[in-house]
Amino acid sequence: AQSVAQPEDQVNVAEGNPLTVKCTYSVSGNPYLFWYVQYPNRGLQFLLKYITGDNLVKGSYGFEAEFNKSQTSFHLKKPSALVSDSALYFCAVRDEENFNKFYFGSGTKLNVKP
Amino acid sequence: ETGVTQTPRHLVMGMTNKKSLKCEQHLGHNAMYWYKQSAKKPLELMFVYSLEERVENNSVPSRFSPECPNSSHLFLHLHTLQPEDSALYLCASSQDTGTGGFFFGQGTRLTVV
Repeated sequence: AQSVAQPEDQVNVAEGNPLTVKCTYSVSGNPYLFWYVQYPNRGLQFLLKYITGDNLVKGSYGFEAEFNKSQTSFHLKKPSALVSDSALYFCAVRDEENFNKFYFGSGTKLNVKP
Repeated sequence: ETGVTQTPRHLVMGMTNKKSLKCEQHLGHNAMYWYKQSAKKPLELMFVYSLEERVENNSVPSRFSPECPNSSHLFLHLHTLQPEDSALYLCASSQDTGTGGFFFGQGTRLTVV
């Protein structure tokens, strides 16, 4: 069965430090992987995606994610965190066999302290 | 703006009321979705419409009734809801090609009293 896991409910980091938000996935075929961000009282916004090609994917707002097939992971990273990055982050995988199905992780709340 | 617009943004309704949530997308997408987001729970897929045909409803209670009159509009009709139905209801759209992502609306914050 397809699934996505975000093992951390919350990640705390100081402004200027690097951040990592973890995601692991389980799919039967090739994974299409996505990261979304949700600011308070807003809908989800697309950050970046991995379909094929380079394992390091660059996205919006300076975020990047590294696809690791052997570890079935797609961790979100940023070299230097900003207070404005504080938000809820969701990892998602799309089902290759049924393109209408997206599986979302439970979300990770990122807190960036000044 | 993501190109997906939801109205209203906030809704308070009694358990005996009937109301509808509206979603509109101007992206030319051919699939639309309703998701429910409750505190401390994963996003729950409620309904999927692809090419205006409902393809999955995930055993959602019948007090939630979707309608997709065309590829740009999606409604969620609500009646006799329960307080536990209070949540953020998110609409999303996508192009059904497999490689694209979702575009979400800002959501409707629903409170059932």
